[in-house]
Amino acid sequence: ETGVTQTPRHLVMGMTNKKSLKCEQHLGHNAMYWYKQSAKKPLELMFVYNFKEQTENNSVPSRFSPECPNSSHLFLHLHTLQPEDSALYLCASSQAGSLNEQYFGPGTRLTVT
Amino acid sequence: GESVGLHLPTLSVQEGDNSIINCAYSNSASDYFIWYKQESGKGPQFIIDIRSNMDKRQGQRVTVLLNKTVKHLSLQIAATQPGDSAVYFCAEDSGGSNYKLTFGKGTLLTVNP
Repeated sequence: ETGVTQTPRHLVMGMTNKKSLKCEQHLGHNAMYWYKQSAKKPLELMFVYNFKEQTENNSVPSRFSPECPNSSHLFLHLHTLQPEDSALYLCASSQAGSLNEQYFGPGTRLTVT
Repeated sequence: GESVGLHLPTLSVQEGDNSIINCAYSNSASDYFIWYKQESGKGPQFIIDIRSNMDKRQGQRVTVLLNKTVKHLSLQIAATQPGDSAVYFCAEDSGGSNYKLTFGKGTLLTVNP
């Protein structure tokens, strides 16, 4: 256990559905991240939140909408996704102002049908 | 553009042998590096890190070597065990306030009993 939890672990959704991914960190960190991991590609950074403020949006399509209500929780709201959005979505956290040692959750395996 | 890459996509070793996984980076401004291990169905797990003011760091059965002259990073695993079978990623932090890590594609390590 890394102290970062993600739910659900698996999600299948249609292109017209709306769903949300949840991440929670129990490490007392103040920076949180969403990554996309597709087969045979490096991890792709999507969003960065530092002290609940979004500091990075890595050209992510608007059908992905993040929300960070506090430093411990991070959501990724999904709507009208495409099949190519099927991937493993990973959440991570770190302590801003220190070394960027990021700890990852187990991920949500998303399949868009 | 700047990138982090791995020389070998797959590595197969015998149980008990030492393993060496390599990584090349191109951003000379990177000052912090991390090795992650990702087992099937799990998120990346922090293994060991190194700052750019060091050229070697040892952990339990793992050693990271940093050669800034040729921008090369390696992970050495001593007495490799079947439980070490996983994908290994290197990541670099080029500093700045955006807390971004750049990840390589990964090397699949297979340990044969």
